[in-house]
Amino acid sequence: KAGVTQTPRYLIKTRGQQVTLSCSPISGHRSVSWYQQTPGQGLQFLFEYFSETQRNKGNFPGRFSGRQFSNSRSEMNVSTLELGDSALYLCASSLQTSGRAQETQYFGPGTRLLVL
Amino acid sequence: AQSVTQLDSHVSVSEGTPVLLRCNYSSSYSPSLFWYVQHPNKGLQLLLKYTSAATLVKGINGFEAEFKKSETSFHLTKPSAHMSDAAEYFCVVSAPGADGLTFGKGTHLIIQP
Repeated sequence: KAGVTQTPRYLIKTRGQQVTLSCSPISGHRSVSWYQQTPGQGLQFLFEYFSETQRNKGNFPGRFSGRQFSNSRSEMNVSTLELGDSALYLCASSLQTSGRAQETQYFGPGTRLLVL
Repeated sequence: AQSVTQLDSHVSVSEGTPVLLRCNYSSSYSPSLFWYVQHPNKGLQLLLKYTSAATLVKGINGFEAEFKKSETSFHLTKPSAHMSDAAEYFCVVSAPGADGLTFGKGTHLIIQP
């Protein structure tokens, strides 16, 4: 079974631009979560989608948004990019058939975003 | 609220010697605990998880961890380190009602030949 895939793997943008990242979960997985990884802040939760609905959101500004499609694929968008948005963005998927806290999240390889 | 503290930012061991990566957690509810490993330029791979069953959890590649509620700890161990174990290790907590996974800051494991 194919793992979580993320596209593109690398991106270079300039301040003020916007960017869209894509994530395809493992087949059959219905939940997709996004995380930001930076050297200073570590791994931080952005948001979670389940059945096309945002279920949880981390402490990030409204410039960060996302959506999920009916096939469970997800996109996240960052508008008005800032230098501090440079990071590795990780997507994770899970089945969500049992208690959510116990579910294993399977991570993709990430998209590395550099903002100049 | 929940939090994770990885007590060492870097751990260096010689190949063939035991590995100990320390993790303490805090959670208002009975948590699930995970250890993930991240090799350079890769995503996160699950090593093992604890979900209130056996307190000693065995994972992949010879790693295991013991859940100690009284000490709020979930330390990761391996009897004999291999060069391929060099990576970043993250202790993670998940609890009912929490927003996503909460990650520790990570421990960089260095294996000396």
